[in-house]
Amino acid sequence: AQSVTQLGSHVSVSEGALVLLRCNYSSSVPPYLFWYVQYPNQGLQLLLKYTSAATLVKGINGFEAEFKKSETSFHLTKPSAHMSDAAEYFCAVNGASGTYKYIFGTGTRLKVLA
Amino acid sequence: NAGVTQTPKFQVLKTGQSMTLQCAQDMNHNSMYWYRQDPGMGLRLIYYSASEGTTDKGEVPNGYNVSRLNKREFSLRLESAAPSQTSVYFCASSLSGTGRTDTQYFGPGTRLTVL
Repeated sequence: AQSVTQLGSHVSVSEGALVLLRCNYSSSVPPYLFWYVQYPNQGLQLLLKYTSAATLVKGINGFEAEFKKSETSFHLTKPSAHMSDAAEYFCAVNGASGTYKYIFGTGTRLKVLA
Repeated sequence: NAGVTQTPKFQVLKTGQSMTLQCAQDMNHNSMYWYRQDPGMGLRLIYYSASEGTTDKGEVPNGYNVSRLNKREFSLRLESAAPSQTSVYFCASSLSGTGRTDTQYFGPGTRLTVL
């Protein structure tokens, strides 16, 4: 079975500070991992995804994530937070061969303080 | 190119009433999905359709039915609404029915309240 765990349902950072959102996964097969962002009153949109081509994945809006198999982690980072980064972030895994089911984490709401 | 559209945006129902949530995509995607989003629980898959003419249950299918009307449209029906179905419902689509790395594209959501 596959699952993802996002540590911290709420994270606050100051504008200009490092953003670190944590995601750990569990998968019995090599996983494919995703980060999605949800702005207020909108649907989710893809930030980045890991498809085994490279362990460091760069996404939109300056975000990146590193796949670490030894730690079963796929943490999302951004060097310098901007007010517009305030949103909810979801980690997801699609690890089961032959299915189309994505398993989403419970989300982390990022607040950026001026 | 509108992407994924959902109607209605908001709906209030009384317990026992029925309604259908509509979803359409114009990206020629094969797979479509219905999720519900509840506070602290993330997104949970209700039903999905890997391709036109097929539908399968997800994690929380009880109380719902779906119809893949054609390649573009995937509707979700609540036959007898219950307060536990108060949620935000998202429709999504992806290109391939078998692509584990496919990006999902989401609609704007429907906020449903059942009194």
